[in-house]
Amino acid sequence: DVKVTQSSRYLVKRTGEKVFLECVQDMDHENMFWYRQDPGLGLRLIYFSYDVKMKEKGDIPEGYSVSREKKERFSLILESASTNQTSMYLCASTPNRRWDRDLAGELFFGEGSRLTVL
Amino acid sequence: AQSVTQLGSHVSVSEGALVLLRCNYSSSVPPYLFWYVQYPNQGLQLLLKYTTGATLVKGINGFEAEFKKSETSFHLTKPSAHMSDAAEYFCAVLHNTDKLIFGTGTRLQVFP
Repeated sequence: DVKVTQSSRYLVKRTGEKVFLECVQDMDHENMFWYRQDPGLGLRLIYFSYDVKMKEKGDIPEGYSVSREKKERFSLILESASTNQTSMYLCASTPNRRWDRDLAGELFFGEGSRLTVL
Repeated sequence: AQSVTQLGSHVSVSEGALVLLRCNYSSSVPPYLFWYVQYPNQGLQLLLKYTTGATLVKGINGFEAEFKKSETSFHLTKPSAHMSDAAEYFCAVLHNTDKLIFGTGTRLQVFP
């Protein structure tokens, strides 16, 4: 089974702190994603990466950055946490399906990291 | 731009009753559509998907969805709800080849 592991299930941080959310997948997937989940807003894409050292902005990248130094690890960074970044953060991965669209869209998710910024 | 709209943020049914969760899509190209489920304190998992071909798609746990182009809909149904079906359900559409655009979610409650 594919396993996507997020390092922390629950975090409490203070405004202005630098926050790292770590995600590791064990299935050699090329693509990795960070989503933010808020009630009434569903999942919104923050950043994604198609390969090591590659990153692309999603729909709400402001206030976030990412790092992908190794294929299996995709980190989300909040340079200076703010209260409006209190949320559930979900990491996901999938193999590269660009040449087989019928298999695309099947994401494997981690269990989420619930971040509270005070 | 592609998008999905889920009608109803909360749906409540009795155990054994029909489950109907609504999703409408907007897409300028033939859409690839998905339903994901999130059980309490867990990540999302794929329930079913429509790509091409048969418009009635069957998924896990007895769920199915029908793609209706004329109505731009992809509603999720289950004939008889179980208590274990209580969860949040997300409809999604594939953008390009790998990005999923999610709806706002529908929380399903099942009463005994």
